Amino acid sequence: DAKTTQPPSMDCAEGRAANLPCNHSTISGNEYVYWYRQIHSQGPQYIIHGLKNNETNEMASLIITEDRKSSTLILPHATLRDTAVYYCIVCFNNDMRFGAGTRLTVKP
Amino acid sequence: GAVVSQHPSWVICKSGTSVKIECRSLDFQATTMFWYRQFPKQSLMLMATSNEGSKATYEQGVEKDKFLINHASLTLSTLTVTSAHPEDSSFYICSAPGTGSTPPDFGPGTRLTVT
Repeated sequence: DAKTTQPPSMDCAEGRAANLPCNHSTISGNEYVYWYRQIHSQGPQYIIHGLKNNETNEMASLIITEDRKSSTLILPHATLRDTAVYYCIVCFNNDMRFGAGTRLTVKP
Repeated sequence: GAVVSQHPSWVICKSGTSVKIECRSLDFQATTMFWYRQFPKQSLMLMATSNEGSKATYEQGVEKDKFLINHASLTLSTLTVTSAHPEDSSFYICSAPGTGSTPPDFGPGTRLTVT
């Protein structure tokens, strides 16, 4: 069973930041927070992950609250190609269990 | 994470036949790999964990005699859907593990259509 809760859908204007929230109140101390996205009929694509500290890479930023019970994925300048289903997953030993994710629609 | 490939990318088969799907970890020796199934408009569901040199571990509700998993080497896991039926039509995805600091990677998926 997924250990995360995400809003089912969100819209974002092209060029604006997309902030995708995730609740994981039962996260264990050794579990990482991973974010993946899936574009229709493709395998999930890795975006970013973190344990405690905030993380940033070329795709996105990950903000994890101090108590680790929630996190936010930030796409700083959303493009139309960022339209996808975004999954937040907490996991330690690689058997990732997916929730329903958030369907992000970037609009022109 | 590992680079993962799957073959075939899509397959159509007749009801009652068996279909084999291959999952390869191209740059990482994986003692475990994971198989997922995804129905239209639904999320990925973990089916089983493939273990190199030993039996696969199946999730509750997944028929092990129907979905045969063989992890023949550190870079290859196969999923065979036996006696396929139309309800087995789905998108099958495999993944290779990460190491904590590196993330798990997913294959591109195989779309199975059973007619």
